[in-house]
Amino acid sequence: QLQLQESGPGLVKASETLSLTCSVSGDSIRSPSYYWGWIRQPPGQGLEWIGSIYYSGSTYYNASLKSRVSISVDTSKNQFSLELNSVTAADTAVYYCARHGRGSLGAFDYWGQGALVTVSS
Amino acid sequence: EIVMTQSPATLSVSPGERATLSCRASQSISSNLAWYQQKPGQAPRLLIYGASTRATGIPARFSGSGSGTEFTLTISSLQSEDFAVYYCEQYNDWPPLTFGGGTKVEIK
Repeated sequence: QLQLQESGPGLVKASETLSLTCSVSGDSIRSPSYYWGWIRQPPGQGLEWIGSIYYSGSTYYNASLKSRVSISVDTSKNQFSLELNSVTAADTAVYYCARHGRGSLGAFDYWGQGALVTVSS
Repeated sequence: EIVMTQSPATLSVSPGERATLSCRASQSISSNLAWYQQKPGQAPRLLIYGASTRATGIPARFSGSGSGTEFTLTISSLQSEDFAVYYCEQYNDWPPLTFGGGTKVEIK
């Protein structure tokens, strides 16, 4: 059974960098059939896709965040990571990591439990 | 960017009744649409992909239909555990992957 688990600081100061890691167990992150993505959800609001990475290292970002975001993969640890710099209060959200397929199987089929990150002033 | 619009924002339904949720895409997305259910404090759960295929373990009372720009999620007979927020998502043309704003299904 595939499991994803987010980890990282729950409190980040404004203007600093938010860093989260997603640990994957139950399957290899090297699978050519999947992408690995980050989605966030501000309190009481909807879902926003941040970006995704393929095991090869190819990355895809939401243009609204592209100038501040970086996603990387560590296949040796079966992990992928998110960095979001110059954070503000608007970046306070629950951050989810999730897996999605390719082409017609592109839905997010497995999700982590989510990590609440609060940006403080 | 493909914009996904869900309606209504809130749907009040009695247990045992049928619920019909709508999702519209700003341009054709073929059948590359997913539906998710989210309960408070939990991650979203995949219900439907390919517009009409139930994900593993999803009860038959959940069904999806549509293609192109208009999609529907139907819950045939609402159970107590079905009261939640539902999101649609398109994965036809990305980046970006885009979600609708959600429909909250509440107890009438």
